[in-house]
Amino acid sequence: AQTVTQSQPEMSVQEAETVTLSCTYDTSESDYYLFWYKQPPSRQMILVIRQEAYKQQNATENRFSVNFQKAAKSFSLKISDSQLGDAAMYFCAYMRGSQGNLIFGKGTKLSVKP
Amino acid sequence: GAVVSQHPSWVICKSGTSVKIECRSLDFQATTMFWYRQFPKQSLMLMATSNEGSKATYEQGVEKDKFLINHASLTLSTLTVTSAHPEDSSFYICSARDLSGGEETQYFGPGTRLLVL
Repeated sequence: AQTVTQSQPEMSVQEAETVTLSCTYDTSESDYYLFWYKQPPSRQMILVIRQEAYKQQNATENRFSVNFQKAAKSFSLKISDSQLGDAAMYFCAYMRGSQGNLIFGKGTKLSVKP
Repeated sequence: GAVVSQHPSWVICKSGTSVKIECRSLDFQATTMFWYRQFPKQSLMLMATSNEGSKATYEQGVEKDKFLINHASLTLSTLTVTSAHPEDSSFYICSARDLSGGEETQYFGPGTRLLVL
């Protein structure tokens, strides 16, 4: 069975600084997708970034980028120029290509200090 | 991104009553929707996969007779918690699978807080 591990329950970053959130996963599949979702206090799940496993190029979305290491099964999220609004729970998620359901890690709570 | 709505946003009910939660994809068609449950300070746990026009697929340990799922159209899935009890109190979130544009993505509704007294 696929699993997703986020080893950092909590992280803290100074405003305008850079922070990296870790995620590892376990799978025997070759076709899959990886996601980072943000859940602020409102509890609305917001898609931050997605990565297709077959793509070697790391995905980027403005201040958010990933370091996808397929062989190591690692999928870390880098947030540059952190803003107060980035404070939230961040969930790493795995999706098997054919099924569509997401398997989530336990989450990392990110705090941003002014 | 695409928009998914969920209604109601919160509900309080008496033990033994049934509660229906609606999940709608507003600007795309979703042949597949998912229902998750989230306890405080925990991650999301998949309850079931809702497929338009067919029976839902439930995860192990989820009672299908208690959590009834109907996906009657390409934009609407409903979750009915039957004979609710206090232990069913939780945060329920739906998501819709968007395959348009060739990109596989899931968008989430804002969630429903259920409190069973």
